[in-house]
Amino acid sequence: DQQVKQNSPSLSVQEGRISILNCDYTNSMFDYFLWYKKYPAEGPTFLISISSIKDKNEDGRFTVFLNKSAKHLSLHIVPSQPGDSAVYFCAASATAGNTGKLIFGQGTTLQVKP
Amino acid sequence: GAVVSQHPSRVICKSGTSVKIECRSLDFQATTMFWYRQFPKQSLMLMATSNEGSKATYEQGVEKDKFLINHASLTLSTLTVTSAHPEDSSFYICSASPGWGETQYFGPGTRLLVL
Repeated sequence: DQQVKQNSPSLSVQEGRISILNCDYTNSMFDYFLWYKKYPAEGPTFLISISSIKDKNEDGRFTVFLNKSAKHLSLHIVPSQPGDSAVYFCAASATAGNTGKLIFGQGTTLQVKP
Repeated sequence: GAVVSQHPSRVICKSGTSVKIECRSLDFQATTMFWYRQFPKQSLMLMATSNEGSKATYEQGVEKDKFLINHASLTLSTLTVTSAHPEDSSFYICSASPGWGETQYFGPGTRLLVL
């Protein structure tokens, strides 16, 4: 049962353009969402998060949008840079359960072409 | 801030031996640490939740007697893969969280190869 899904395994964009990575979830108890960036053979690096009380959170070139009714979130990177090329994972947590567990999506490989 | 280290970064061992992986939060205290496993081109799979001073909580399908977890202090958790077999070869990653419901910060991972 895949509670967090990233249906696009890969995405290729041109440098300077916008990258949009999508994530869907099924568990309505999830109320905290995060995006991580990961390079091969390294641990994930935290990028940005959003609580379910918000529908948008912005940090520099990264913006995360949350649509609770659709159980969908997206990460926008603009402008995209070649250094953004990596695997991006979305993750979700149900903070009410106080376990702190994160459920990860399968990841989307982003390639930004110069 | 929020730096998590893992040691070793890479280990090769013979089948049947045990391997210990350390996870440390360097600049914060972590009540909870998590251990993940990642197979090539797959997502991170949570293995267990490690709580300081208490027993770890294992995910379904993870053998607690094979993957021993000790959370001895607020900055250190260890994962011991006992009697390792080639199928245990994987990338093991830990994370630490300053508190409940807060962001998890990940270590750099440990590549285990069992021959």
